Formats: sequence, structure tokens, C-alpha cells
Amino acid sequence: AQSVTQLDSQVPVFEEAPVELRCNYSSSVSVYLFWYVQYPNQGLQLLLKYLSGSTLVKGINGFEAEFNKSQTSFHLRKPSVHISDTAEYFCAVSPSNFGNEKLTFGTGTRLTIIP
Amino acid sequence: EPEVTQTPSHQVTQMGQEVILRCVPISNHLYFYWYRQILGQKVEFLVSFYNNEISEKSEIFDDQFSVERPDGSNFTLKIRSTKLEDSAMYFCASLLTSGVYEQYFGPGTRLTVT
Repeated sequence: AQSVTQLDSQVPVFEEAPVELRCNYSSSVSVYLFWYVQYPNQGLQLLLKYLSGSTLVKGINGFEAEFNKSQTSFHLRKPSVHISDTAEYFCAVSPSNFGNEKLTFGTGTRLTIIP
Repeated sequence: EPEVTQTPSHQVTQMGQEVILRCVPISNHLYFYWYRQILGQKVEFLVSFYNNEISEKSEIFDDQFSVERPDGSNFTLKIRSTKLEDSAMYFCASLLTSGVYEQYFGPGTRLTVT
């Protein structure tokens, strides 16, 4: 079984400042890791994913995340945020088998950008 | 860009009533999922569906729940006799095929049971 912990439920950040959203996971098997974003009144959209290879992955909208196996973490970062980044961000994992397995989500982090 | 759609966006029902939540996955996708999020809690997996049968279901998905793909486009979640604790946001997702890894989510249906 897998579990995901997002340590911060809300993160306020000034516009153009950097941000890091934290995610830790627990699993008895190898996993794939994902970050999804949910804008108001919209569905979950994939930001980026880690499957294998380089531990630093880049996604859409200038976001990146680093997989750290020893710390079982997959923190999301952006060097300079914009008002349009205001959204809820979800970290998720799935077993690294066939790519069609269920996702296990964290509780989400609400990112609020302060003008 | 193709997207997953869900109807209705908000459904209010009385305890004990049956509800059907509807989803239209992306047309050439083969795997389908339902997740739910109770307010303030995690997004939880309910069920996955492939080749017209359930692939996996969670403990939440008991006999009160069922899924169906009645035609080539719709994917439905039925709750036979709703309970107060079924109040949640229900998300439908679809996946093109194994090895693609990106599930596409709909905007959700907020179910309120009174």
C-alpha cells in the first residue's frame, strides 16, 4: 500500500517569490510520482511526473520537482510565482507496474499568491 | 484539446435515494476511474474499469456502488441508496492506455446528501 503526506495545507506566497510545496510518500514497492494542479472549478491537471531516470523533472508552467529516494520526498518548486498559479496542488503516487494503476493522493496544498 | 466532462456539476439528493453520476471520458481512452474527495480530506480511489469490467475497487466501493459503460461514450457511477457520508466531490478520470501514465480528470460532481 502507498500513502502520501503533504505537510502544508495552505501556502501564501508573494508574487514573483519562489515557492516549494512539500510531499513525502510511503510505499513498500517502487512507485511513480505525480503532481496535479486543480484550478477553481476545473478538474485535476497533470503538472509533471517522475517515472525513472533523472531525479529532477520539469513540468508545465515553469514548475519542477525533485525525487529523493532516501528521503522519500518529491517536492515541487517554482522560482517565481504568478497570480495565475493560485490553485490547489496534489501530490500522488502509483505502483510502478503497467501505468494504469490507481493513484493515491495527498490531502492537497492550497497555494495563494499575494500581489 | 479533448477533455473529460461530468454531469451534473452539483447534485443534491435525499438520504436513501439513488443517484447516477455521469462522465464522458476522452473518446479513444481505454481505462476509466472514479475517485472522490470528502470535504477537507484526501482524494480517494473508488474503482477502475477496463474492457467493460471492473479492474480494481477500493473498500469504499461496496454493494451500494456500481459502474457502467452503457454505450461507447458514457461512464456512470450509481449509488443505490445514498447516505450522508456519501456527500463528496466525485471525479471521473480516463487513461489512454497502459504505459501512458497520465490520467485525465473531469471537473467533478459535487454530491450533497441531505
